[in-house]
Amino acid sequence: KQEVTQIPAALSVPEGENLVLNCSFTDSAIYNLQWFRQDPGKGLTSLLLIQSSQREQTSGRLNASLDKSSGRSTLYIAASQPGDSATYLCAVWRETSGSRLTFGEGTQLTVNP
Amino acid sequence: NAGVMQNPRHLVRRRGQEARLRCSPMKGHSHVYWYRQLPEEGLKFMVYLQKENIIDESGMPKERFSAEFPKEGPSILRIQQVVRGDSAAYFCASSGGTRGPNQYFGAGTRLSVL
Repeated sequence: KQEVTQIPAALSVPEGENLVLNCSFTDSAIYNLQWFRQDPGKGLTSLLLIQSSQREQTSGRLNASLDKSSGRSTLYIAASQPGDSATYLCAVWRETSGSRLTFGEGTQLTVNP
Repeated sequence: NAGVMQNPRHLVRRRGQEARLRCSPMKGHSHVYWYRQLPEEGLKFMVYLQKENIIDESGMPKERFSAEFPKEGPSILRIQQVVRGDSAAYFCASSGGTRGPNQYFGAGTRLSVL
């Protein structure tokens, strides 16, 4: 059974700081890994999708890496802004017989002005 | 091009009532997934449907919960005889294929059971 863990559960940083969010998964047989952002009372916004054959993906100030063999991914946010405050969710799609995303519990990020 | 539409956004029910949550997938998508997010928890898969078929319902509670995706109209998640523990945010996602990439999520329905 796939389990996804995110550390830390909450993080508070001053504006401008670079930060790293961590995600680990127990079953390395994944098809892809996806990072989402969730704002309070809102739905999920996909940030980055990494295929299992890829090592990283970048979008603007965001960079996600994937080490499939060790079951780890990181989301790097450069020059954080108050608008980055949200919950960040990591999710994996299994390689075989999969029909769903397995989510971690998220990291709640607060960027203080 | 409208995204995944869920309604209602907020739903209040008393214990024992029925809750019906609706999800209209993105145009051209024929795969629908329902997830539940309990307070202070991550999203948990409930059910995966294609038009007129339930493909995987392994995440659905055995009793009181059912889902459908008819040939015409939205997908419906139905909860009978709601209890306080059903209070949660219910999210629907849709995709154009079976393999997870590019699952697009709706804004969710927040169910409160009094």
